[in-house]
Amino acid sequence: AQSVAQPEDQVNVAEGNPLTVKCTYSVSGNPYLFWYVQYPNRGLQFLLKYITGDNLVKGSYGFEAEFNKSQTSFHLKKPSALVSDSALYFCVIDGAGGSYIPTFGRGTSLIVHP
Amino acid sequence: NAGVTQTPKFRVLKTGQSMTLLCAQDMNHEYMYWYRQDPGMGLRLIHYSVGEGTTAKGEVPDGYNVSRLKKQNFLLGLESAAPSQTSVYFCASSYSSVNTEAFFGQGTRLTVV
Repeated sequence: AQSVAQPEDQVNVAEGNPLTVKCTYSVSGNPYLFWYVQYPNRGLQFLLKYITGDNLVKGSYGFEAEFNKSQTSFHLKKPSALVSDSALYFCVIDGAGGSYIPTFGRGTSLIVHP
Repeated sequence: NAGVTQTPKFRVLKTGQSMTLLCAQDMNHEYMYWYRQDPGMGLRLIHYSVGEGTTAKGEVPDGYNVSRLKKQNFLLGLESAAPSQTSVYFCASSYSSVNTEAFFGQGTRLTVV
């Protein structure tokens, strides 16, 4: 079975400061990991993914994520937060062990204060 | 290129009524999914399809049925709506299930009274 955990329901950060949204995973085999963002009253949008290779993955809107196999983590980061980054962020694990079913984390609400 | 389109966007049903949610994608994707989103619970998979004419149960299939008669369309049906089905429903599609990103519709907000 595969699972992801987002330990923080909400993350608050001041504009211009670095941000981190945490994600840990559990799976047998190699994971395929994704981050999606959901702006208010909108559908989800793809940010970035880790399949294999470089542990630091760069994505849309200046976001990046670091895959850490020993800590089974895939934290989302951005060097300088913007107020417009305020949204709901989902970590997703997909395809591990032949599963066709992507598994979503519960989501983390990021609030960037001016 | 519209991507993934869901209709309707909003709907209020009375308990026991039936309805069908339509999802259409124009990207020639094989895989399509129906999720429900509830506060604090993330997205939960209801049903999915790996190709035209195929469907499979997800995490929370009870009370829902689906059909994929055409590759571009994935229908979600509620035969007898219950208040517990009040939720926001999202359709998604992807080229394949493994290591490819999914594209989401804008969502359908359903209230069952």
